[in-house]
Amino acid sequence: IVLTQSPGTLSLSPGERGTLSCRASQSVGANNLAWYQQKPGQAPRLLIYGASSRATGIPDRFSGSGSGTDFTLTISRLEPEDFAVYYCQQYGSSSLTFGGGTKVEIK
Amino acid sequence: EVQLLDSGGGLVQPGGSLRLSCAASGFAFSTYAMSWVRQAPGEGLEWVSAISDSGGTTYYADSVKGRFTISRDNSKNTLYLQMNSLRAEDTAVYYCAKDGRYTGSYVDYWGQGTLVTVSS
Repeated sequence: IVLTQSPGTLSLSPGERGTLSCRASQSVGANNLAWYQQKPGQAPRLLIYGASSRATGIPDRFSGSGSGTDFTLTISRLEPEDFAVYYCQQYGSSSLTFGGGTKVEIK
Repeated sequence: EVQLLDSGGGLVQPGGSLRLSCAASGFAFSTYAMSWVRQAPGEGLEWVSAISDSGGTTYYADSVKGRFTISRDNSKNTLYLQMNSLRAEDTAVYYCAKDGRYTGSYVDYWGQGTLVTVSS
């Protein structure tokens, strides 16, 4: 399953709303889709699993939605620490795949 | 606190071999599936391999099948990745990862990563 993330780069100001898209080439089984955040020089961090469940300790400004082939990560109000690269991942098949990433940068 | 300490990376010539290790602590290692995920310099994430909690089931990305072998020693709380016939395109930071639910599911904890450079 190929995951296509858009946009490639999102330029926003702190306090704004960010909407990131992840589109799959075929339906993701049981909505087995996760979102991760990665900052430079750091390992990724799990944000969302099962398309919409927040991981432990993740602020409620992060939310996931979608099903089938279209998924969205929404950051309701961007904080300075949210500027990073975001990846989606599907685990609905035995061959896991990641999207190419969306960089959220300060405008 | 869950900790995953990756080690074993380094510089190796094309065609060479390397074994990565990941020492786990802070959770019941023998009851969780584990994975390896890599990231080439300046690129995105690529899943490499996964292994079930008992070690009886393994999965591999097509790009490494037949060259890499994932294994684990539950008595030592350690995950391994044996990498043979290395190619330049295997150059990446390799992350040890704890699977959140089952073999090959999402990753809920990541190691700090170990850099593998394949070059002559």
